[in-house]
Amino acid sequence: AQTVTQSQPEMSVQEAETVTLSCTYDTSENNYYLFWYKQPPSRQMILVIRQEAYKQQNATENRFSVNFQKAAKSFSLKISDSQLGDTAMYFCAFMKQGGSEKLVFGKGTKLTVNP
Amino acid sequence: GAVVSQHPSWVICKSGTSVKIECRSLDFQATTMFWYRQFPKQSLMLMATSNEGSKATYEQGVEKDKFLINHASLTLSTLTVTSAHPEDSSFYICSAETGRNSPLHFGNGTRLTVT
Repeated sequence: AQTVTQSQPEMSVQEAETVTLSCTYDTSENNYYLFWYKQPPSRQMILVIRQEAYKQQNATENRFSVNFQKAAKSFSLKISDSQLGDTAMYFCAFMKQGGSEKLVFGKGTKLTVNP
Repeated sequence: GAVVSQHPSWVICKSGTSVKIECRSLDFQATTMFWYRQFPKQSLMLMATSNEGSKATYEQGVEKDKFLINHASLTLSTLTVTSAHPEDSSFYICSAETGRNSPLHFGNGTRLTVT
């Protein structure tokens, strides 16, 4: 079974600064996907970024980028130029490659961006 | 983009009654939908995988007879909480995949309160 670990229950950052959220996972699979989802107070789950395990290049989406270390099974999220609207819960998630596979979530990191 | 509509967004019911929650994919067909439960300040826990035209696959520890799932069409899955009790109070979220190995898109969730 796959497990996802987020070791930082809470983090805070000043507006405009950079913050990195940690995520590690455990799997015996070779082909899989990793995701970061954002859940603001509205509780809507919003996809932030996605990484395919077979790609060595780290995914980037505007101010969001990841540091994917497959051998170390690490998948951290870097948020640059933090904005107040980035305040939310952030969940790291794993999905096996295949058809109709479920997402396995970490426990989440509560990020607060301070003005 | 892919839109998943979940209804109702909140519901209050009396203990012993049943509540139905709908999850619809508005602009795509979803052969598979997933139902998650989220307790306050916790992560999303998968309850079941809903497959169109067949029985749902429940996660270990989830009572099949209590949480009835029906996926009668490619755009609609329903979760019925039968004989609800206060401990069933929670936030329920559905998600659907737009295609093989695609990211999951989430509904806005349903906050269930059982009095």
